[in-house]
Amino acid sequence: AQSVTQLGSHVSVSEGALVLLRCNYSSSVPPYLFWYVQYPNQGLQLLLKYTSAATLVKGINGFEAEFKKSETSFHLTKPSAHMSDAAEYFCAVSDGGGSQGNLIFGKGTKLSVKP
Amino acid sequence: DTAVSQTPKYLVTQMGNDKSIKCEQNLGHDTMYWYKQDSKKFLKIMFSYNNKELIINETVPNRFSPKSPDKAHLNLHINSLELGDSAVYFCASSQDPPPESTQYFGPGTRLTVL
Repeated sequence: AQSVTQLGSHVSVSEGALVLLRCNYSSSVPPYLFWYVQYPNQGLQLLLKYTSAATLVKGINGFEAEFKKSETSFHLTKPSAHMSDAAEYFCAVSDGGGSQGNLIFGKGTKLSVKP
Repeated sequence: DTAVSQTPKYLVTQMGNDKSIKCEQNLGHDTMYWYKQDSKKFLKIMFSYNNKELIINETVPNRFSPKSPDKAHLNLHINSLELGDSAVYFCASSQDPPPESTQYFGPGTRLTVL
């Protein structure tokens, strides 16, 4: 069965610093991978997704993620953090159709940005 | 124009009651979902509907029943509410069924069972 592990439930960075949120997945077949962001008291919004095209995926708000099959990782990065990036970030995997194709979410990483 | 909307935003009720949460999407999508987010922010799929047919039903209690009057709506009805049902419930929709389709989420309904 597929699963997602997000390392670090809470990450704190200074404004302007590099953001790195870690995600490792487990899947028996080539996966589809997603990063969603949840701002306080709001629903989830897609940041980016990997669907086996390019291994480096660019998303909204300056975020990007690199799919590394050898490391089973899909870490999310942003070169320079803004205060507005403070939110909860969820990595998710989907690796098939039908009952096996729904999104399996990680437990989330809360990003705090210090002035 | 809100793409995926849910009502109510907050719902406080007593144990044993029956309640419904409504969801509507104006994106013309064919698939809709319900998720439960617990107090630790863990998100888990509950149901998904494609063209008014249930295509997956995770191991949720049968007190929970999704109802889709048309393609744009997927309501969640809960019978005999329990304390453990307290959570935030999110509705979502996508153009296509999984696995690679982007899901669009509603703002959530915070359910508190007393």
